[in-house]
This record gives sequence, structure tokens and C-alpha cells, in this order.
Amino acid sequence: RKEVEQDPGPFNVPEGATVAFNCTYSNSASQSFFWYRQDCRKEPKLLMSVYSSGNEDGRFTAQLNRASQYISLLIRDSKLSDSATYLCVAYNYGQNFVFGPGTRLSVLP
Amino acid sequence: SQTIHQWPATLVQPVGSPLSLECTVEGTSNPNLYWYRQAAGRGLQLLFYSIGIGQISSEVPQNLSASRPQDRQFILSSKKLLLSDSGFYLCASGQGLGGTQYFGPGTRLLVL
Repeated sequence: RKEVEQDPGPFNVPEGATVAFNCTYSNSASQSFFWYRQDCRKEPKLLMSVYSSGNEDGRFTAQLNRASQYISLLIRDSKLSDSATYLCVAYNYGQNFVFGPGTRLSVLP
Repeated sequence: SQTIHQWPATLVQPVGSPLSLECTVEGTSNPNLYWYRQAAGRGLQLLFYSIGIGQISSEVPQNLSASRPQDRQFILSSKKLLLSDSGFYLCASGQGLGGTQYFGPGTRLLVL
């Protein structure tokens, strides 16, 4: 079983739509969580750290559910520039940072 | 804020040749440093990490090695490249255990 799992997509959504990604992690000892976005042939860039209470940054909302071991990312009012691959990351002391394979999003005009 | 430099940006090397990729970090002190590889269409695989000068932990056994000769310098090396070493090599920097990681621009390596 993969440590961090994501639906690879692609998610094709129209501009202005709301889209949500889920990510599940297998190690219950995971301590911190992150969402990164990665554009084609570029490095990952931090989108959000994920806190237990959930956090919001503009159009982006991340939530953590420790009981069910999943992290979600919600994007509201999608823009063309949101098209990218979104990487979910879980950190635990024993395994270090574990990246999911990513979910590809295409926002269509 | 910290800046991470990697070079070269792209590299084409023959099988069996040596490799040296360099990563340097500015704007932070005593960072944890990481080397990742991303194969085409795949997720990031942690190769090595370091919590201090001269300290290297290897995550995956392979023909690569890493060194940290200075606080903000991290080097990835190989004596003899394999075809399977092709990929996108990313250096990352972070503070503390589990702290946010920031990535350099990466080196795209093609082994022929």
C-alpha cells in the first residue's frame, strides 16, 4: 500500500468552478502535512501547510482529518493559472517527508 | 526568505560517466537539506537528507552518494551513471524536523 495516495486525475474543470482533492496517508504517526503545486517541468512550490484546525488562504482551503487519515484541498473560483499538479505531503519522524504522486488539474476557459 | 540554487539546469551524460550536482542555499543557517529524484510522470523520491555538515542519511540504496562539505552546500554524486538515473533532481531546504521544505529549480538529467 502506498504511503500517501492521491487520485492522479486529470481533473478538468471550467473557470470559476470549485474543485476538491483528497489525499490519504497510511502512517498514523504522521505529524505535519503540506500541499505543494508543481507546474510542468518546474520545482514544487509550497501552497499551504495543513494544520489540525484547517486553514484558509484566499481561494484555497486545506483540512486535516486525523481520524480518517486524509487531507483535503479545496479551490474556489478556479483560475486558468491554477492548472498544475497538486502534491500532498506527509511528514513523520521515521520516514521523513513522503510525497503523494500528485493530482493533475486543468482549468478550462 | 531563503533561496536555493542548483546547477546545472540540464545535463546529458553517457552511461558509466561520473556525476556531480551542486546545491547551495542562501538566507538561512543550519538548514536540513534534501535530495529528491522525480522520474517522468512519477512522484518525488527522497534520496538523501542531511541535518548538518558531514552528516548524510541515505533513504534508498543505489549508486548515488551525497556530501555536505559546508553548512549550505549539498552535493549529489555518482561514480558511474546508469540509464535508470535519468530524472529530475531536486534539492530542498527546511528548518527543524518536519518544517516546511523549499525547493531549488532542479536539474534535469538524461543518461544515454
